[in-house]
Parts: sequence; C-alpha cells; structure tokens
Amino acid sequence: DGGITQSPKYLFRKEGQNVTLSCEQNLNHDAMYWYRQDPGQGLRLIYYSQIVNDFQKGDIAEGYSVSREKKESFPLTVTSAQKNPTAFYLCASSADRAPVDQPQHFGDGTRLSIL
Amino acid sequence: AQTVTQSQPEMSVQEAETVTLSCTYDTSESDYYLFWYKQPPSRQMILVIRQEAYKQQNATENRFSVNFQKAAKSFSLKISDSQLGDAAMYFCAYRTYFGNEKLTFGTGTRLTIIP
Repeated sequence: DGGITQSPKYLFRKEGQNVTLSCEQNLNHDAMYWYRQDPGQGLRLIYYSQIVNDFQKGDIAEGYSVSREKKESFPLTVTSAQKNPTAFYLCASSADRAPVDQPQHFGDGTRLSIL
Repeated sequence: AQTVTQSQPEMSVQEAETVTLSCTYDTSESDYYLFWYKQPPSRQMILVIRQEAYKQQNATENRFSVNFQKAAKSFSLKISDSQLGDAAMYFCAYRTYFGNEKLTFGTGTRLTIIP
C-alpha cells in the first residue's frame, strides 16, 4: 500500500545535538511538507518542497534544515539552534495539482523530546 | 497571508446529539478550498470534509456537514448523531486555489463525546 513513513516514532535529543527525522513516501508525489504541532497551536509549516532539489521556508523555519535529493525522501534536521524542539512533527505529501478530495497525505508523526 | 481561527479550544457533546465546531478565516482571495481534518488519539490526520469556495452548496459527508458563509468567511462543521469514535481534535484548514498545495491550519478544537 502506498503511504508516508516517518521514523522514528519517538526521538530524544540531548542539548546541543542535531537530530534528523526521516520521511519517505511511495505515492510518487511531487510536493512534501513538514509541520510542527504543539498543544494549543495547531499545525505550523516548517518547510515544504515542490520538486526535487528545491524547498522553501514555511512559517517557522528557524533552527531547522531540510534536503530533497530524491523525490520520495524529505528529511528534516532539527539543529541545536532550535531552542524549543520538543513537539510532534508531521510529514505530508501531495501530488502536483492535488485533487481537492485528497489535498495532503500525512504520516503518523515523530515525537521529539529533549533529554 | 491567510489566517484560520478556531475560537473553541474544547467542546463536548452527549452521544447521539449534534455539535457544531466553529472556524473563521481571513483571505483576500476569491477562490480557495477549506477542509476539516480529524486527529484522533492515534495522531493520524484524517480528512473529514472539504468545500470549494466557488460552490454555494454546503458540503455533506454522511453525518458531517458544513455551513459555509463566504461573505462572513465562516466555515463551521456540524456533526450529527455524535458517536464515541468522533472524539478527537478537529482542525480547520485553508488552501489556496492556485499555486502550491500548502495548508494553513487553525489551532484546533478538542471534541469530547459524553456517553
């Protein structure tokens, strides 16, 4: 079955450490997205990519970096510059000109915590 | 930039009763899409219902329906015959009609079903 796989499900980071969250999709979608979810703040867009080797900052990109070397993969690195990284991270994807009945497919998320 | 506002952080309803969740948005565009997503405790994001702004008829999906008031920029979700499985966070989301498919989310409403 096609879908989005996020790993790991739970991740712990030490102070000053960079960590990378994985997101892989086998839906042949062109666009991929990273959202951060905090209690009471809904989902906020971190980065998105519409094609390979290209990506744009979302609303809260500071302290994060991404790469899009392959169509199916869009890893997110949480750098030490992100001072409050504890959150739930969701990856999503969409087809070019995504049909309105399936605007975005979401992964199951990664919960990142600080040790 | 578009904004989406959900003014009810929490709502509760008796099982089998009807509940309405509110959503307002701000945009200067005339064509766009609106969505309601459900996020149960499993944290999956599940599309509940969608509305194209150019359609005057309110969308309906089984027990879920919307009241779309374009002039007022209001997009409420009505859940009829509430069931225990409806308990979740509900997010309202906006997507522009043209261009990329990134979603702008509200802060969510936590719905509790009382048996």
